[in-house]
Amino acid sequence: AQSVSQHNHHVILSEAASLELGCNYSYGGTVNLFWYVQYPGQHLQLLLKYFSGDPLVKGIKGFEAEFIKSKFSFNLRKPSVQWSDTAEYFCAVNEGNTNAGKSTFGDGTTLTVKP
Amino acid sequence: EAGVVQSPRYKIIEKKQPVAFWCNPISGHNTLYWYLQNLGQGPELLIRYENEEAVDDSQLPKDRFSAERLKGVDSTLKIQPAELGDSAVYLCASSLGTSGSYNEQFFGPGTRLTVL
Repeated sequence: AQSVSQHNHHVILSEAASLELGCNYSYGGTVNLFWYVQYPGQHLQLLLKYFSGDPLVKGIKGFEAEFIKSKFSFNLRKPSVQWSDTAEYFCAVNEGNTNAGKSTFGDGTTLTVKP
Repeated sequence: EAGVVQSPRYKIIEKKQPVAFWCNPISGHNTLYWYLQNLGQGPELLIRYENEEAVDDSQLPKDRFSAERLKGVDSTLKIQPAELGDSAVYLCASSLGTSGSYNEQFFGPGTRLTVL
Protein backbone atom coordinates (compact mmCIF):
# COMPACT_ATOMS: atom_id res chain seq x y z
CA ALA A 1 0.00 0.00 0.00
CA GLN A 2 1.04 3.56 -0.63
CA SER A 3 2.67 5.31 2.30
CA VAL A 4 3.75 8.88 2.91
CA SER A 5 6.36 9.78 5.53
CA GLN A 6 6.86 13.17 7.05
CA HIS A 7 9.94 12.83 9.16
CA ASN A 8 9.59 15.98 11.23
CA HIS A 9 6.65 15.84 13.61
CA HIS A 10 7.24 19.19 15.23
CA VAL A 11 9.52 21.95 14.04
CA ILE A 12 10.22 25.12 16.01
CA LEU A 13 11.88 28.06 14.26
CA SER A 14 12.49 31.71 14.89
CA GLU A 15 11.17 34.28 12.44
CA ALA A 16 13.36 34.73 9.35
CA ALA A 17 14.82 31.24 9.66
CA SER A 18 14.73 28.96 6.64
CA LEU A 19 12.36 26.03 6.53
CA GLU A 20 12.55 22.62 4.95
CA LEU A 21 9.97 19.93 5.69
CA GLY A 22 10.59 16.46 4.40
CA CYS A 23 8.10 14.24 2.57
CA ASN A 24 8.82 10.82 1.13
CA TYR A 25 6.40 8.44 -0.51
CA SER A 26 6.51 4.81 -1.56
CA TYR A 27 4.52 4.59 -4.81
CA GLY A 28 6.76 3.89 -7.79
CA GLY A 29 4.45 5.00 -10.57
CA THR A 30 3.18 8.34 -11.76
CA VAL A 31 2.19 10.58 -8.88
CA ASN A 32 0.47 13.86 -8.22
CA LEU A 33 1.89 15.59 -5.15
CA PHE A 34 0.42 18.13 -2.80
CA TRP A 35 1.20 20.13 0.28
CA TYR A 36 -1.74 21.24 2.38
CA VAL A 37 -1.67 23.63 5.32
CA GLN A 38 -4.02 23.91 8.27
CA TYR A 39 -3.78 27.17 10.22
CA PRO A 40 -5.06 27.14 13.80
CA GLY A 41 -8.84 26.96 13.80
CA GLN A 42 -9.08 26.72 10.02
CA HIS A 43 -9.62 23.94 7.57
CA LEU A 44 -7.11 22.27 5.29
CA GLN A 45 -6.15 24.33 2.27
CA LEU A 46 -3.85 23.75 -0.64
CA LEU A 47 -0.38 25.26 -0.42
CA LEU A 48 1.03 23.93 -3.68
CA LYS A 49 0.79 21.02 -6.09
CA TYR A 50 2.81 19.11 -8.66
CA PHE A 51 1.30 17.29 -11.61
CA SER A 52 3.96 17.34 -14.31
CA GLY A 53 6.64 19.53 -15.86
CA ASP A 54 9.07 21.63 -13.85
CA PRO A 55 9.85 19.67 -10.66
CA LEU A 56 10.26 22.92 -8.71
CA VAL A 57 6.83 24.25 -7.94
CA LYS A 58 5.90 27.49 -6.26
CA GLY A 59 2.88 27.98 -4.08
CA ILE A 60 1.25 30.65 -2.03
CA LYS A 61 2.97 32.76 0.61
CA GLY A 62 6.49 32.15 -0.70
CA PHE A 63 6.48 28.39 -0.31
CA GLU A 64 8.05 26.08 -2.86
CA ALA A 65 8.61 22.35 -3.17
CA GLU A 66 10.88 20.20 -5.26
CA PHE A 67 9.90 16.84 -6.70
CA ILE A 68 12.88 14.50 -6.86
CA LYS A 69 11.65 11.34 -8.53
CA SER A 70 14.78 9.31 -7.83
CA LYS A 71 14.43 9.98 -4.12
CA PHE A 72 10.63 9.65 -3.99
CA SER A 73 10.63 13.01 -2.26
CA PHE A 74 8.65 16.24 -2.36
CA ASN A 75 10.19 18.51 0.27
CA LEU A 76 8.64 21.83 1.19
CA ARG A 77 10.81 24.91 1.57
CA LYS A 78 10.56 28.54 2.49
CA PRO A 79 13.64 30.80 2.73
CA SER A 80 12.34 32.99 5.55
CA VAL A 81 9.42 32.01 7.77
CA GLN A 82 7.04 34.37 9.48
CA TRP A 83 5.08 34.02 12.71
CA SER A 84 1.93 33.64 10.58
CA ASP A 85 3.34 30.43 9.09
CA THR A 86 2.62 28.66 12.36
CA ALA A 87 0.39 25.80 11.26
CA GLU A 88 0.24 22.11 10.54
CA TYR A 89 1.55 20.99 7.17
CA PHE A 90 0.47 17.83 5.38
CA CYS A 91 2.04 16.16 2.39
CA ALA A 92 -0.31 14.13 0.17
CA VAL A 93 0.25 11.81 -2.76
CA ASN A 94 -2.20 10.68 -5.42
CA GLU A 95 -1.47 7.72 -7.62
CA GLY A 96 -1.51 9.43 -10.98
CA ASN A 97 -2.79 6.79 -13.36
CA THR A 98 -4.82 3.69 -12.64
CA ASN A 99 -5.99 4.85 -9.24
CA ALA A 100 -5.82 8.57 -9.69
CA GLY A 101 -8.33 9.42 -7.02
CA LYS A 102 -6.62 7.56 -4.21
CA SER A 103 -5.01 10.08 -1.87
CA THR A 104 -2.63 9.19 0.90
CA PHE A 105 -1.64 11.77 3.48
CA GLY A 106 1.34 11.95 5.77
CA ASP A 107 0.81 12.44 9.49
CA GLY A 108 1.67 16.10 9.31
CA THR A 109 4.35 18.40 10.67
CA THR A 110 3.47 21.04 13.20
CA LEU A 111 5.46 24.21 12.60
CA THR A 112 5.79 26.75 15.38
CA VAL A 113 7.42 30.05 14.50
CA LYS A 114 8.59 32.12 17.43
CA PRO A 115 8.32 35.90 16.99
CA GLU B 1 -17.90 30.72 -4.71
CA ALA B 2 -18.97 28.79 -1.65
CA GLY B 3 -16.59 26.18 -0.31
CA VAL B 4 -17.35 22.69 0.94
CA VAL B 5 -20.03 22.87 3.61
CA GLN B 6 -20.26 20.40 6.46
CA SER B 7 -22.67 20.08 9.34
CA PRO B 8 -22.72 19.82 12.20
CA ARG B 9 -19.35 21.26 13.17
CA TYR B 10 -19.37 19.50 16.53
CA LYS B 11 -21.26 16.49 17.82
CA ILE B 12 -21.19 14.82 21.21
CA ILE B 13 -23.00 11.54 21.64
CA GLU B 14 -22.98 8.55 23.92
CA LYS B 15 -21.62 5.25 22.70
CA LYS B 16 -24.05 3.00 20.88
CA GLN B 17 -26.00 6.01 19.60
CA PRO B 18 -26.29 6.72 15.87
CA VAL B 19 -24.82 9.85 14.30
CA ALA B 20 -24.89 11.37 10.83
CA PHE B 21 -22.74 13.93 9.09
CA TRP B 22 -23.72 15.96 6.06
CA CYS B 23 -21.56 17.41 3.31
CA ASN B 24 -22.35 19.70 0.40
CA PRO B 25 -19.45 19.86 -2.06
CA ILE B 26 -18.45 22.74 -4.29
CA SER B 27 -20.89 23.12 -7.16
CA GLY B 28 -19.75 21.17 -10.22
CA HIS B 29 -17.36 18.92 -8.33
CA ASN B 30 -17.98 15.35 -9.38
CA THR B 31 -15.71 13.67 -6.87
CA LEU B 32 -16.50 13.65 -3.17
CA TYR B 33 -14.34 12.22 -0.39
CA TRP B 34 -14.95 11.40 3.24
CA TYR B 35 -11.89 11.26 5.48
CA LEU B 36 -11.33 10.44 9.11
CA GLN B 37 -8.63 12.36 10.96
CA ASN B 38 -7.42 11.27 14.36
CA LEU B 39 -5.47 13.63 16.58
CA GLY B 40 -1.86 13.89 15.47
CA GLN B 41 -2.43 12.04 12.22
CA GLY B 42 -3.21 12.86 8.64
CA PRO B 43 -6.58 12.34 7.00
CA GLU B 44 -7.42 8.74 6.09
CA LEU B 45 -9.79 8.08 3.24
CA LEU B 46 -13.05 6.36 4.17
CA ILE B 47 -14.90 6.52 0.88
CA ARG B 48 -14.69 8.26 -2.48
CA TYR B 49 -17.59 8.98 -4.81
CA GLU B 50 -17.54 9.68 -8.51
CA ASN B 51 -20.92 11.34 -8.97
CA GLU B 52 -23.32 8.99 -7.15
CA GLU B 53 -21.12 5.91 -7.38
CA ALA B 54 -18.91 4.82 -4.50
CA VAL B 55 -15.71 3.90 -6.35
CA ASP B 56 -13.46 3.30 -3.34
CA ASP B 57 -14.94 2.23 -0.02
CA SER B 58 -12.24 -0.27 0.91
CA GLN B 59 -11.39 1.60 4.13
CA LEU B 60 -14.98 2.08 5.28
CA PRO B 61 -15.89 -0.14 8.26
CA LYS B 62 -19.08 -1.41 6.74
CA ASP B 63 -20.39 -3.09 9.85
CA ARG B 64 -21.18 0.29 11.39
CA PHE B 65 -20.47 2.97 8.80
CA SER B 66 -22.56 3.78 5.78
CA ALA B 67 -22.60 6.59 3.27
CA GLU B 68 -24.71 7.79 0.43
CA ARG B 69 -24.58 10.42 -2.24
CA LEU B 70 -27.98 10.54 -3.81
CA LYS B 71 -28.22 12.50 -7.04
CA GLY B 72 -24.46 12.90 -7.05
CA VAL B 73 -24.40 16.13 -5.09
CA ASP B 74 -24.50 16.23 -1.30
CA SER B 75 -23.58 13.28 0.83
CA THR B 76 -24.29 11.79 4.24
CA LEU B 77 -21.99 9.64 6.35
CA LYS B 78 -23.60 7.63 9.12
CA ILE B 79 -22.27 5.66 12.06
CA GLN B 80 -24.55 3.22 13.83
CA PRO B 81 -23.80 2.38 16.53
CA ALA B 82 -20.97 4.72 17.50
CA GLU B 83 -18.06 3.43 19.57
CA LEU B 84 -15.60 5.28 21.77
CA GLY B 85 -12.88 4.82 19.15
CA ASP B 86 -14.92 6.72 16.57
CA SER B 87 -14.08 10.00 18.27
CA ALA B 88 -12.26 11.97 15.56
CA VAL B 89 -12.69 14.71 12.98
CA TYR B 90 -14.64 13.67 9.90
CA LEU B 91 -13.60 15.64 6.84
CA CYS B 92 -15.38 16.01 3.55
CA ALA B 93 -13.56 17.12 0.42
CA SER B 94 -14.44 17.53 -3.22
CA SER B 95 -12.65 17.86 -6.52
CA LEU B 96 -13.60 18.38 -10.14
CA GLY B 97 -12.39 14.89 -10.94
CA THR B 98 -9.41 12.68 -10.44
CA SER B 99 -7.21 13.18 -13.48
CA GLY B 100 -4.40 15.68 -13.66
CA SER B 101 -5.17 19.09 -12.24
CA TYR B 102 -8.74 18.01 -11.53
CA ASN B 103 -7.26 16.07 -8.61
CA GLU B 104 -6.98 19.15 -6.37
CA GLN B 105 -9.15 18.59 -3.34
CA PHE B 106 -11.01 21.28 -1.45
CA PHE B 107 -11.76 20.51 2.16
CA GLY B 108 -14.62 21.42 4.41
CA PRO B 109 -14.17 22.50 8.05
CA GLY B 110 -14.87 19.01 9.36
CA THR B 111 -17.14 17.61 12.03
CA ARG B 112 -15.52 16.92 15.38
CA LEU B 113 -17.21 13.87 16.90
CA THR B 114 -16.86 13.01 20.56
CA VAL B 115 -18.26 9.68 21.74
CA LEU B 116 -18.71 9.40 25.50
